[in-house]
Amino acid sequence: GAVVSQHPSRVICKSGTSVKIECRSLDFQATTMFWYRQFPKQSLMLMATSNEGSKATYEQGVEKDKFLINHASLTLSTLTVTSAHPEDSSFYICSAGAVNTDTQYFGPGTRLTVL
Amino acid sequence: SQQGEEDPQALSIQEGENATMNCSYKTSINNLQWYRQNSGRGLVHLILIRSNEREKHSGRLRVTLDTSKKSSSLLITASRAADTASYFCATEGSNDYKLSFGAGTTVTVRA
Repeated sequence: GAVVSQHPSRVICKSGTSVKIECRSLDFQATTMFWYRQFPKQSLMLMATSNEGSKATYEQGVEKDKFLINHASLTLSTLTVTSAHPEDSSFYICSAGAVNTDTQYFGPGTRLTVL
Repeated sequence: SQQGEEDPQALSIQEGENATMNCSYKTSINNLQWYRQNSGRGLVHLILIRSNEREKHSGRLRVTLDTSKKSSSLLITASRAADTASYFCATEGSNDYKLSFGAGTTVTVRA
């Protein structure tokens, strides 16, 4: 099956710093990638939809200047949490949709802890 | 936006028993998908059922979809300890490829 990787798997940072998370589709081209966040014992909340070569579409309530998304190629999307604060601590998961399929393939997630 | 609701929130069963969980949604959909998530890990896609399908099987999994009631069920037969996980339903809307996830059902299979 299709494989999506995320890097790093865990990151701990100080408040005020920025953190970049990478999402890669390893064996297929993904025209669309999605970024979710998940708080402990809760469901996944879609943050934004990222299309290759164009600006990301953010869900209501998600600050685009705080969560910068770049989808520079068909196999890589990045999420940068700028000026991170403890309330940004969460599990961030990306998914990638292959061309002409309706299945999203999920990455293993990135655990962000902001001290 | 999140539109799926799942019940029960938690389920504890003995190994070998069947586990059934339900998902309800509010708007029209292209398809409904079920995922499994082990604690602190990513999601594993289990099964996808399209809006024009009523039932689908995959190994020990059986999924039903009732679009008139806007509901779906996931049945895991002959459960195993390795089935212990959280299970989420997710609906793909008619107008886009976004997935809306339900709140999830935490299943514990006791050996």
